[in-house]
Amino acid sequence: AQSVTQPDIHITVSEGASLELRCNYSYGATPYLFWYVQSPGQGLQLLLKYFSGDTLVQGIKGFEAEFKRSQSSFNLRKPSVHWSDAAEYFCAVALYGGSQGNLIFGKGTKLSVKP
Amino acid sequence: DVKVTQSSRYLVKRTGEKVFLECVQDMDHENMFWYRQDPGLGLRLIYFSYDVKMKEKGDIPEGYSVSREKKERFSLILESASTNQTSMYLCASRTTGGTGLNSPLHFGNGTRLTVT
Repeated sequence: AQSVTQPDIHITVSEGASLELRCNYSYGATPYLFWYVQSPGQGLQLLLKYFSGDTLVQGIKGFEAEFKRSQSSFNLRKPSVHWSDAAEYFCAVALYGGSQGNLIFGKGTKLSVKP
Repeated sequence: DVKVTQSSRYLVKRTGEKVFLECVQDMDHENMFWYRQDPGLGLRLIYFSYDVKMKEKGDIPEGYSVSREKKERFSLILESASTNQTSMYLCASRTTGGTGLNSPLHFGNGTRLTVT
């Protein structure tokens, strides 16, 4: 069955430090991959998406993610974290199917930022 | 910009009450979704609708029903609320555009429901 794993439940980084959030998927075909961010009390906002082509994709707010087929990974990165990046981050994979598709979400990684 | 509006940010209901959660989107999206979000469990799909009057069960439909009489509105109904339905509920919409898979979900801000 398709699945998405975010191994880290909670990560704390210092402001200005680099960030990498891990995401691994299990899916037989070429995946459609997404990263969403959820600020406290808000819904989810799309950071970036990957469908095909260049395996390094750029998103909003200075985030990027790299698709590595050999590792079944789609890790999210940011070179320098800002305090406003404190939020919960969700990786998701789109299923292909007759029901118009559906996203499978990971359980999320909560990011805390130390001053 | 796409706007998905959930009618209530916070709701408190009693056990056994019938509860309606409303969601409206303003971008003529074909697909609409209801998720439930609980700590440590992530987002779980309750129901989705790929068009007006169409609906499909998601992963956890038990205790819920939905209604989509108009394209812009997707309602989640708790027929008889129970305490284990206390949760954050998120509505989302998406255009199909081709396969629909490359269209991101647009989320509302959520409704935090407490059932006492």
